[in-house]
Amino acid sequence: QKEVEQNSGPLSVPEGAIASLNCTYSDRGSQSFFWYRQYSGKSPELIMFIYSNGDKEDGRFTAQLNKASQYVSLLIRDSQPSDSATYLCAVNLIMNSGGYQKVTFGIGTKLQVIP
Amino acid sequence: DAGVIQSPRHEVTEMGQEVTLRCKPISGHNSLFWYRQTMMRGLELLIYFNNNVPIDDSGMPEDRFSAKMPNASFSTLKIQPSEPRDSAVYFCASSRGQGAHEQYFGPGTRLTVT
Repeated sequence: QKEVEQNSGPLSVPEGAIASLNCTYSDRGSQSFFWYRQYSGKSPELIMFIYSNGDKEDGRFTAQLNKASQYVSLLIRDSQPSDSATYLCAVNLIMNSGGYQKVTFGIGTKLQVIP
Repeated sequence: DAGVIQSPRHEVTEMGQEVTLRCKPISGHNSLFWYRQTMMRGLELLIYFNNNVPIDDSGMPEDRFSAKMPNASFSTLKIQPSEPRDSAVYFCASSRGQGAHEQYFGPGTRLTVT
C-alpha cells in the first residue's frame, strides 16, 4: 500500500461546479497535511494546509481532514478554468524525537475545468 | 525575494556522463530538499538537509547519486554515471525550521539522458 494515495484522474468538472479531490494516507501517526497545486511545466506551490480534524476554508478552497478514516480532501468551489492543474496531497510524519518531519507526496490528481 | 534558484533549467546528456544540478535556497531558510518527479512515480524525496547537514538520504536511489550542501546558500545533486532511467524533472525546495512546513520549490531542472 502506498503511503499517500490519490486518483490520478483526470477529474473533469464544468466551470462553476465544485471540484472534490481526495487523498488517503496509511500512517496513523501523520501530523500535518498539505495540498499543493502544480500547473503543467511548473513547480508545485502550497495552497492549503490542515492539522486538525474538520474543515478549513480559504476563499474558494476548503480542506477537510478525517484522521479516524485517514483521508484528507480539497474542495474547490466555483471552479474556474484557471484551476486546471494537478493537485498534490502531501503528508508529514514526525520521524523521531529530534523533530524531523518526513514529507510524502501523492501522485497527484489532474483537474480539468471545462468552460 | 528571488525564490529558490536552480540551474541549469534543462540538461541533455549522454549515458555515462556526469551531471551536476545546482540549487540556491531562499535566504533564511534552513531546510533544503531535493526531489525527483516522473509521470510514473510522482514526486519523490531524494534527500533532506537541515542546517547544511543531511538528515534523510533514504530516497537516494543508489550510489550513483550524491548530494552536498557546503553552506547555507548552495547545494548540488550529482549523478555519476548518468543512465537513461535518470531522466526526470529534479526540484529543489527550501523551508524555514526543521521539517517540512511550507516548502518553496524552485523551477526545476529537466534532465534528459540519452
